[in-house]
Amino acid sequence: DSGVTQTPKHLITATGQRVTLRCSPRSGDLSVYWYQQSLDQGLQFLIQYYNGEERAKGNILERFSAQQFPDLHSELNLSSLELGDSALYFCASSLDGKVNEQFFGPGTRLTVL
Amino acid sequence: AQSVTQLGSHVSVSEGALVLLRCNYSSSVPPYLFWYVQYPNQGLQLLLKYTSAATLVKGINGFEAEFKKSETSFHLTKPSAHMSDAAEYFCAVSEEVFQKLVFGTGTRLLVSP
Repeated sequence: DSGVTQTPKHLITATGQRVTLRCSPRSGDLSVYWYQQSLDQGLQFLIQYYNGEERAKGNILERFSAQQFPDLHSELNLSSLELGDSALYFCASSLDGKVNEQFFGPGTRLTVL
Repeated sequence: AQSVTQLGSHVSVSEGALVLLRCNYSSSVPPYLFWYVQYPNQGLQLLLKYTSAATLVKGINGFEAEFKKSETSFHLTKPSAHMSDAAEYFCAVSEEVFQKLVFGTGTRLLVSP
């Protein structure tokens, strides 16, 4: 158990809908990362937050947005969902934003029908 | 930009045989290199990491990897495979400690009795 929690574990929804994925980092970690794992694209970095502020952005679609709250949990919002958004979404956290101390959560599997 | 190439999407070994999973990287600066393991329906677990200290890095579960700058490689090895090693393995690189991880496409390790 990495200490990073993600809810829900599974999510099934329809095209055009909007969903919110939640991540709680390890106790004391200030930085949160979101990754998408799909058969087509592999594991891709989406976005990073550090202590509530956006620090880095990767291949995140405009339909997707994220935020980190004062209690340091993070939410990833996916809207106008398409079939191709079906994937495993991982959250990771690190103490001070250093990549060499990144711990991953179990992921949320999103299925868009 | 940094990148990682993992040779072989699938590697099959017999129990007790040597495990060798290949990873070559591209980076304009001395990189940080990682191997992660993903068991079915689970998140990513860090096996080991290279952060410019010793070139031979020992990780969990008997795995080790050697950083070879001249070959731009960071291959993962284990002397004797166990059935429990069957999983997907990802090599990842980062050029700077505060940057994101860039993952390879993964290698699925199959272990037969």
